[in-house]
Amino acid sequence: QQQVKQSPQSLIVQKGGISIINCAYENTAFDYFPWYQQFPGKGPALLIAIRPDVSEKKEGRFTISFNKSAKQFSLHIMDSQPGDSATYFCAASSTGNQFYFGTGTSLTVIP
Amino acid sequence: NAGVMQNPRHLVRRRGQEARLRCSPVKGHSHVYWYRQLPEEGLKFMVYLQKENIIDESGMPKERFSAEFPKEGPSILRIQQVVRGDSAAYFCASQLTVNTEAFFGQGTRLTVV
Repeated sequence: QQQVKQSPQSLIVQKGGISIINCAYENTAFDYFPWYQQFPGKGPALLIAIRPDVSEKKEGRFTISFNKSAKQFSLHIMDSQPGDSATYFCAASSTGNQFYFGTGTSLTVIP
Repeated sequence: NAGVMQNPRHLVRRRGQEARLRCSPVKGHSHVYWYRQLPEEGLKFMVYLQKENIIDESGMPKERFSAEFPKEGPSILRIQQVVRGDSAAYFCASQLTVNTEAFFGQGTRLTVV
């Protein structure tokens, strides 16, 4: 049973465009929603995270939008760059418990 | 400040041998998670440990796999009698306290031949 569902599986965006990756969850006990970026051969690195008391969080070109009633959250990458090409994972956790990860989105930004 | 250190980075084992994967968390972190990643797939939870205690091992196969996080020293993921299906990247993550940022190591890539 996939606790966190992520889409799309892969995404191709032109340089300068907006990349949007979506995630949905069922467990209303989740209260921490991070996004991780992973380059080939490397470990995942935290990109940005949100808690359900806010609907949006922005850090530079990266924005998380959170819809608590719909149990969905998304990552927006503005002005996408070739260096953003990586695999992105959403995750969710509740206090004291493991992180549940989405299946990942492979992003390719075309110059 | 050293991040999460995993070693070895690459490990080759023959079928039937034992694999020992080590993870040193960020200094001061007492929460450690192990995840397995197959090629082109996401991260699958294996086990969650705090110092000297296994908190959640629901993702760990019942046989051949074990994990520990002793009072002193790194966390160890041990796979006995490895089989080809154990070939994967194994990642360790650590947290200072629950529900805070988890830092991942670079992973150990296990190949069973």
